[in-house]
Amino acid sequence: DAGVIQSPRHEVTEMGQEVTLRCKPISGHNSLFWYRQTMMRGLELLIYFNNNVPIDDSGMPEDRFSAKMPNASFSTLKIQPSEPRDSAVYFCASSFWATGRTETQYFGPGTRLLVL
Amino acid sequence: AQSVTQLDSQVPVFEEAPVELRCNYSSSVSVYLFWYVQYPNQGLQLLLKYLSGSTLVKGINGFEAEFNKSQTSFHLRKPSVHISDTAEYFCAVSDSGGGADGLTFGKGTHLIIQP
Repeated sequence: DAGVIQSPRHEVTEMGQEVTLRCKPISGHNSLFWYRQTMMRGLELLIYFNNNVPIDDSGMPEDRFSAKMPNASFSTLKIQPSEPRDSAVYFCASSFWATGRTETQYFGPGTRLLVL
Repeated sequence: AQSVTQLDSQVPVFEEAPVELRCNYSSSVSVYLFWYVQYPNQGLQLLLKYLSGSTLVKGINGFEAEFNKSQTSFHLRKPSVHISDTAEYFCAVSDSGGGADGLTFGKGTHLIIQP
């Protein structure tokens, strides 16, 4: 299995630009998670989906952030407009969920975002 | 609300010495606990997890952890470390086992192996 795939791996952009991060979960997984990692705040859950439906977006920092999952094999995290404080590593993770089962979350390699 | 406290931000240890990385948690419901490792410029990899049953959990790379409900702890141990164990280690907690909802992570412990 290829694992969780994220693109791009690195992104440098200027303040005010739109940024789109992409994630392909492991085939067969039905839960998808977006996390952000910074030195100051550590690893934070931004949003997660079950069966392509957003379940909890309370971790999304503000309205400039949005996430979609149009199908089981693709998700995007968009920042518009971007700001320097958005600079971080963004991780996507996926897992399989079913009632009564507990499954591991598998993480992608991350996208390192730098907003100048 | 859940929270995880990793008491040490950095732990230096000599190669082949034992190590313990400390983790305490708070949770108001059933708790599932995890340790992940992050090597430089990589994603997170699961080391081990406690879901239920035996409180001593064995993971990959010779690591183990013990769940202690009375002390709300889940410390990670390895009897003899190697240079290759140099990495960031994260303790995490979940209400559901990690499959259906997000993980709450500690701030991480940087394990530094000295030759």
